[in-house]
Amino acid sequence: GQNIDQPTEMTATEGAIVQINCTYQTSGFNGLFWYQQHAGEAPTFLSYNVLDGLEEKGRFSSFLSRSKGYSYLLLKELQMKDSASYLCAAWDSNYQLIWGAGTKLIIKP
Amino acid sequence: GAVVSQHPSWVICKSGTSVKIECRSLDFQATTMFWYRQFPKQSLMLMATSNEGSKATYEQGVEKDKFLINHASLTLSTLTVTSAHPEDSSFYICSARVVPGGTGGGITDTQYFGPGTRLTVL
Repeated sequence: GQNIDQPTEMTATEGAIVQINCTYQTSGFNGLFWYQQHAGEAPTFLSYNVLDGLEEKGRFSSFLSRSKGYSYLLLKELQMKDSASYLCAAWDSNYQLIWGAGTKLIIKP
Repeated sequence: GAVVSQHPSWVICKSGTSVKIECRSLDFQATTMFWYRQFPKQSLMLMATSNEGSKATYEQGVEKDKFLINHASLTLSTLTVTSAHPEDSSFYICSARVVPGGTGGGITDTQYFGPGTRLTVL
């Protein structure tokens, strides 16, 4: 079956760095997405990786290893507004988006 | 670019009535739109894939006669919850697929989400 695993909840301190991991098992693979979702709001697009390696975009970076079925989202210089759920999702061979359950990130002062 | 809107943002209705939710791509054409439902503290659940000019493809367990989807144009898809019941109360979110080279100008094949519609059925 197809599956996305990510931690349920993480806690980090304002100004610090946090890494949110995601492992995936899909029928074929056409890329991996990270979305941010604040409570009561729709998800917003953060990143897309289809090739191995690290993609940096400001304070956020996303990494992909296709051979390991593994990705992580790295958040630097954490701010209180980064408190949200972070959703990992992968395109399968039919471009069906398979979603993880999300990681709730709690930022403490 | 790649802005998706939804209307209404929230709706409260009586059990047994029907509710229509609109999803629009404001600055690009979307041949494919997706409808999701999200219950509190749960992840997104794909309900159906809507392709312009053709019938929607529903996920297993989603009643197509209850959740009517129409994608009549490249910028508009609608979801109608018919004979709504309290258990249909949820956060409904649409998204539109942006394909590289399309009018959205995206460089990656991705989805952009509307702001969501919170439905409460009394």
